[in-house]
Amino acid sequence: DADVTQTPRNRITKTGKRIMLECSQTKGHDRMYWYRQDPGLGLRLIYYSFDVKDINKGEISDGYSVSRQAQAKFSLSLESAIPNQTALYFCATSDLAGGLNTGELFFGEGSRLTVL
Amino acid sequence: RKEVEQDPGPFNVPEGATVAFNCTYSNSASQSFFWYRQDCRKEPKLLMSVYSSGNEDGRFTAQLNRASQYISLLIRDSKLSDSATYLCVVNQISSGSARQLTFGSGTQLTVLP
Repeated sequence: DADVTQTPRNRITKTGKRIMLECSQTKGHDRMYWYRQDPGLGLRLIYYSFDVKDINKGEISDGYSVSRQAQAKFSLSLESAIPNQTALYFCATSDLAGGLNTGELFFGEGSRLTVL
Repeated sequence: RKEVEQDPGPFNVPEGATVAFNCTYSNSASQSFFWYRQDCRKEPKLLMSVYSSGNEDGRFTAQLNRASQYISLLIRDSKLSDSATYLCVVNQISSGSARQLTFGSGTQLTVLP
């Protein structure tokens, strides 16, 4: 089983719908992240959390919200989806030494979202 | 100008060839640097860190030039299994003054038989 699990893996929805992407991890890491990947733009950070009580905006947080329900769970919500939120979304985790220090993030397999 | 820029490729090389990718970064205060590998339709995975003195891991060599603000990745004796997209990653202060990992958009490599 994957250490970082994302659900759903694929989702097609319509403009204006609320969507939640869920992420759970068994690595025991405190730090969790949500990225989106678009062709030609690379991975961009949406939100990140360093522990259960910590939530921080990333580079492109507008239109998104997150919830850190537990150390192992970090969900991303699109309150009212729009077509330019069509992208591949990745959840990632790191330990205290990882992330910014060693550069090692552990990614989930991705959630492909299409907004029509 | 993008904070981290890479030539998107694609680079198509024969097996056994040597291939090099460059990546430039705009923030001179960037502290650390990494290369990730992403296979088609898969998640990115850390390939190697890039140290100031340069470092080697088997057929892979990474180098950093702080003065010119670029990093490079050299792959010797290319294998079919090296076909992937290579992402340049920089630890730098991003929007909101928080230090973050910033990813380049990747360079696509295809090794041909």
